[in-house]
Amino acid sequence: GDSVTQMEGPVTLSEEAFLTINCTYTATGYPSLFWYVQYPGEGLQLLLKATKADDKGSNKGFEATYRKETTSFHLEKGSVQVSDSAVYFCALSEGDTGNQFYFGTGTSLTVIP
Amino acid sequence: GAVVSQHPSRVICKSGTSVKIECRSLDFQATTMFWYRQFPKQSLMLMATSNEGSKATYEQGVEKDKFLINHASLTLSTLTVTSAHPEDSSFYICSARQDRGLSQPQHFGDGTRLSIL
Repeated sequence: GDSVTQMEGPVTLSEEAFLTINCTYTATGYPSLFWYVQYPGEGLQLLLKATKADDKGSNKGFEATYRKETTSFHLEKGSVQVSDSAVYFCALSEGDTGNQFYFGTGTSLTVIP
Repeated sequence: GAVVSQHPSRVICKSGTSVKIECRSLDFQATTMFWYRQFPKQSLMLMATSNEGSKATYEQGVEKDKFLINHASLTLSTLTVTSAHPEDSSFYICSARQDRGLSQPQHFGDGTRLSIL
């Protein structure tokens, strides 16, 4: 079945460091891929998305490229800030209606000054 | 845009009571709403999917008589936890989508922390 695998956390970085959070997926068809961010005590916010191979999603300095050949959608940011501390979820949607939504286990990021 | 409001944000109640959680899409009409449960430091577990005016589709292992879902309008879905017990304590999150289709993201509420004593 479909699934999403994320690198385990927690991840701790110093401010202005480079961030990579790995995400790989297994899907039977051609899914759309998403990254969501969850701040403490809140719901999830859509960070970026990509709907087909080689698409690059980007938002707030974060980027992720849909790599079909490696079935990956790694999240990157060149210079993290303390305010980026949160839990990041990789997700995919599949099916005719896109109602089949699968989340990774989440990666906790802490950025220290 | 695409704001989803979930209420209440936190509820504490005694074992045996029923609790209703509301999920509203404030600035769009939601064709589909989803209810998730999240355990501490874990990912989201989809409980059910609901379309306006029709019965919810529950995931395997989720008791439909325990978790009643009503999607009465294009902007409101409710989850009622009936006869709640301590093992039902969890973080419940709803989401909504404006349109069907693979590329449509889900927009999430801020969640409800449910604690059953």
